[in-house]
Amino acid sequence: DAGVTQSPTHLIKTRGQQVTLRCSPKSGHDTVSWYQQALGQGPQFIFQYYEEEERQRGNFPDRFSGHQFPNYSSELNVNALLLGDSALYLCASRTSGNTGELFFGEGSRLTVL
Amino acid sequence: GNSVTQMEGPVTLSEEAFLTINCTYTATGYPSLFWYVQYPGEGLQLLLKATKADDKGSNKGFEATYRKETTSFHLEKGSVQVSDSAVYFCALGNTGKLIFGQGTTLQVKP
Repeated sequence: DAGVTQSPTHLIKTRGQQVTLRCSPKSGHDTVSWYQQALGQGPQFIFQYYEEEERQRGNFPDRFSGHQFPNYSSELNVNALLLGDSALYLCASRTSGNTGELFFGEGSRLTVL
Repeated sequence: GNSVTQMEGPVTLSEEAFLTINCTYTATGYPSLFWYVQYPGEGLQLLLKATKADDKGSNKGFEATYRKETTSFHLEKGSVQVSDSAVYFCALGNTGKLIFGQGTTLQVKP
């Protein structure tokens, strides 16, 4: 049973560029969340998708956007990259009926130069 | 708003020592509380959870009790092993959105 898978694992971008990160949830899960983890910090909630709609959003600017597809997979898009966007981006999934445990992927490490 | 505060790390212990990692929280309502662990090169894994006051979560020898009166959820283990070396995150949430502490690095030496 595959867990949460994310791609790419590492990527380097320059300021002003745009990036798309991808996530496939754990089998049987229908709700996907994205978190940003800066070095040495805890993850911070970006947003959550269910039924292809953004259901909750954290304190992140509109440059951060997402999408969920009918197969429950998800993308995180970040426009106009800033140096401060350098971080590990984590995808997490759960079933809609379980508000507790999240299953996390290993993350996509984004470096903005 | 809701927040989580963890003790500063790193915490360095010898094998078989007793472990306590402090976690306190501020929350409205009655959130669930969690401890997640991040081993080197891996994603976060749920270690244990508690969903209401006085609940005790336990797993792999780790325990934590949801204390509403002290707004705490301290992580404990009676005898740590080298394999427990990792970063530990305390978190709270009740709608699928989790709020994490900053993490505490634990290093266990043989």
